[in-house]
Amino acid sequence: GAVVSQHPSWVICKSGTSVKIECRSLDFQATTMFWYRQFPKQSLMLMATSNEGSKATYEQGVEKDKFLINHASLTLSTLTVTSAHPEDSSFYICSAEGFPRMVRSYEQYFGPGTRLTVT
Amino acid sequence: GQQVMQIPQYQHVQEGEDFTTYCNSSTTLSNIQWYKQRPGGHPVFLIQLVKSGEVKKQKRLTFQFGEAKKNSSLHITATQTTDVGTYFCAAIGGEYGNKLVFGAGTILRVKS
Repeated sequence: GAVVSQHPSWVICKSGTSVKIECRSLDFQATTMFWYRQFPKQSLMLMATSNEGSKATYEQGVEKDKFLINHASLTLSTLTVTSAHPEDSSFYICSAEGFPRMVRSYEQYFGPGTRLTVT
Repeated sequence: GQQVMQIPQYQHVQEGEDFTTYCNSSTTLSNIQWYKQRPGGHPVFLIQLVKSGEVKKQKRLTFQFGEAKKNSSLHITATQTTDVGTYFCAAIGGEYGNKLVFGAGTILRVKS
């Protein structure tokens, strides 16, 4: 149980175009989803936290107009990289917290990641 | 962005040798989690530590949470080539609030 999928697994796009990445919880309801970004050989940096039906909370330094997050249902969150540039090339990983959320249990289930390359 | 201090950054060991990675936080944590990421893969949850001084074992892996809930360690006994990957700690609580804040990771390479 607790499987999270991401689509696409990799994408190459031209500079200036927009790319949408989907994150789905397949066998549980995800009240909260998280989007991370990971550069090669670096750690995961939290970009934003999204709760179903409400606006995402962005981390400091993350442009909300550039990285649009929509959490329309309890099983789907999307991240759209708008007007992508080569510096946006990275590994984008989502994770989800399940419902019902156990007290003192903060386990997150990670998706397989999406590797974005902007040319 | 926020990050938990994790050392060493990189370790290369001979198969059969032990390995340890350490995480330190300046803030008292609610809990700490450990993840393993294989090359080209995504982080996979290993364990969560909640109690002060807690020690948990998973086969050859031993996880410890400090008495002050500010530091943690992961120790692998007699490493195997299958242990290769990056090990991350991730902290919750204190100044991090409900967010999962990752350490920089320790890359483990094992020579057979």
